[in-house]
Amino acid sequence: KQEVTQIPAALSVPEGENLVLNCSFTDSAIYNLQWFRQDPGKGLTSLLLIQSSQREQTSGRLNASLDKSSGRSTLYIAASQPGDSATYLCAAAGGGATNKLIFGTGTLLAVQP
Amino acid sequence: SAVISQKPSRDICQRGTSLTIQCQVDSQVTMMFWYRQQPGQSLTLIATANQGSEATYESGFVIDKFPISRPNLTFSTLTVSNMSPEDSSIYLCSVGGRAGGPYEQYFGPGTRLTVT
Repeated sequence: KQEVTQIPAALSVPEGENLVLNCSFTDSAIYNLQWFRQDPGKGLTSLLLIQSSQREQTSGRLNASLDKSSGRSTLYIAASQPGDSATYLCAAAGGGATNKLIFGTGTLLAVQP
Repeated sequence: SAVISQKPSRDICQRGTSLTIQCQVDSQVTMMFWYRQQPGQSLTLIATANQGSEATYESGFVIDKFPISRPNLTFSTLTVSNMSPEDSSIYLCSVGGRAGGPYEQYFGPGTRLTVT
């Protein structure tokens, strides 16, 4: 059974700092891994999708990497801004006909101005 | 990407009643998913709803409690039946599986349900 864990659970950094969020999964047979952002009381915004055959994806100040063999993914945020404050979730897709997502526990990020 | 809307955005309901949540997508999609996010928790998949077939429920979720309809490729409903305070959660629908796509999932804004 796939289990997804994220560390740290919460992180507070000053504006401008570069930071890394970590995601671990127990079953390396994933189809893809997706990073989301969730603002308080809101739905999820898709940030990056990494296919199982890829090593990394980049979008603006965000870079996500994937290492299937070690069961890890990282989300790198460069030059953090107060607007980046949110909960960040990673989710592993098991593939097959259903493409179910198993979500991690989330990292609550606060960027202090 | 897909634009997804949900109705209602929030509701306060009495225990023992039922609430139907609607999910509308701006394009045809193969798969729709319903998730629950309990207070302070991450998301848990309730069921997968494909058009033209019965919904597939995850362990711990049953059709009598969470009946789902999927009448066409752009719409689905989730009903939370015989509600109790433990059903207080955010309910989110998502879509994925566009033909030829990478199975990236997109989420609606969620429905915040409070059961008193």
